[in-house]
Amino acid sequence: DVVMTQSPLSLSVTLGQPASISCRSSQSLVYSNGDTYLNWFQQRPGQSPRRLIYKISNRDSGVPDRFSGSGSGTDFTLKISRVEAEDVGVYYCMQGTHWPYGFGQGTKLEIK
Amino acid sequence: EVHLVEYGGGLVQPGGSLRLSCAASGFTFSNYWMSWVRHTPGKGLEWVATIKQDGSAKHYVDSVKGRFSISRDNAKNSLYLQMNSLRADDTAMYYCAMPSLWGQGTLVTVSS
Repeated sequence: DVVMTQSPLSLSVTLGQPASISCRSSQSLVYSNGDTYLNWFQQRPGQSPRRLIYKISNRDSGVPDRFSGSGSGTDFTLKISRVEAEDVGVYYCMQGTHWPYGFGQGTKLEIK
Repeated sequence: EVHLVEYGGGLVQPGGSLRLSCAASGFTFSNYWMSWVRHTPGKGLEWVATIKQDGSAKHYVDSVKGRFSISRDNAKNSLYLQMNSLRADDTAMYYCAMPSLWGQGTLVTVSS
């Protein structure tokens, strides 16, 4: 199975400052059609997960443009340009290229 | 408005069975692959099972193969998860997911 490894596992950020989360997969996430099915999810306290980013860098509808995704192959990054209070929660990367799909361990973001 | 609503969770003894249901509304259910994902505070998110639009393909995480069965009824806009031989480590919040849309989850607790 593909192993997804996130770092750091926790992040304490001052309001208005940037944040970055890294995600590495144990094998390439490029599918046979050329697409890379790497997603990012946010889970706020007490809420269901919500997808933020799909196929590395595409923002879902309603996701603020301070969230951005980048990367290729096995190395990916989620960046928040200016952290806001509503960004507190756990962030997960997820690969949807190889069965079984899999998530990273999660990165807990808190406000400093 | 698009919605996924799960139900059927509860307390069950080890070795017991439970059937989860998910009601979809506001979109063409039969057009989408659908999945069950579970969350535990200690392990984070885990992809459990996925089913193709017409039910002709199904995928499971190794830990539930032979015990869980995913199915759907497109006429009723519904997704199901039959869970047999339940174990303590199946205790989790179970989500129905698209994955661009998630339900609110239903809690399954396996305990004597």
